[in-house]
Amino acid sequence: GQNIDQPTEMTATEGAIVQINCTYQTSGFNGLFWYQQHAGEAPTFLSYNVLDGLEEKGRFSSFLSRSKGYSYLLLKELQMKDSASYLCAASNYGQNFVFGPGTRLSVLP
Amino acid sequence: NAGVTQTPKFRILKIGQSMTLQCTQDMNHNYMYWYRQDPGMGLKLIYYSVGAGITDKGEVPNGYNVSRSTTEDFPLRLELAAPSQTSVYFCASSYSQGADEKLFFGSGTQLSVL
Repeated sequence: GQNIDQPTEMTATEGAIVQINCTYQTSGFNGLFWYQQHAGEAPTFLSYNVLDGLEEKGRFSSFLSRSKGYSYLLLKELQMKDSASYLCAASNYGQNFVFGPGTRLSVLP
Repeated sequence: NAGVTQTPKFRILKIGQSMTLQCTQDMNHNYMYWYRQDPGMGLKLIYYSVGAGITDKGEVPNGYNVSRSTTEDFPLRLELAAPSQTSVYFCASSYSQGADEKLFFGSGTQLSVL
């Protein structure tokens, strides 16, 4: 079967660092994507990992371990505008994307 | 640069009514998708298309139909609307299905079936 798990909600303080974890079990795994979705809006692409290791893009970094079926999204220097849902999605060969339930992050002042 | 355009943004249907959600993209993407998103749930794939004239079922296709007569357009048809189809619908597109191929989403359609 195909399954992706993420925490439902997280809370962090402005200026802090937060790590959002994602575990996945999918067949034909190709790559792991992270999307950001503000309330009432469409998801927008944040990052992707194909190979094991860390990918850094400014304040956002994403990590992948294919052998462990595990990824995380790291957000540094949190800002109020980072309050959103973060969707983990596995890309499968020929089967498109399987999305996790999303993690709702609240950034407090 | 419009990207992926969905209409309408909001719609209320009565049980048994039908409607079409429109989706068009101007990025010359081959792949197009329809997802639904229920509160607290991830995006579920309804139907997808790998090119004009080709469509295939996703995870939750029952109660829906699609067509892909052109590269740009991928409408989603709801026949005999049911309360279980109350959801937010997103159309998306991508150039290919490569490992690094991200999805571009439309702004969404909030549908209520009463």
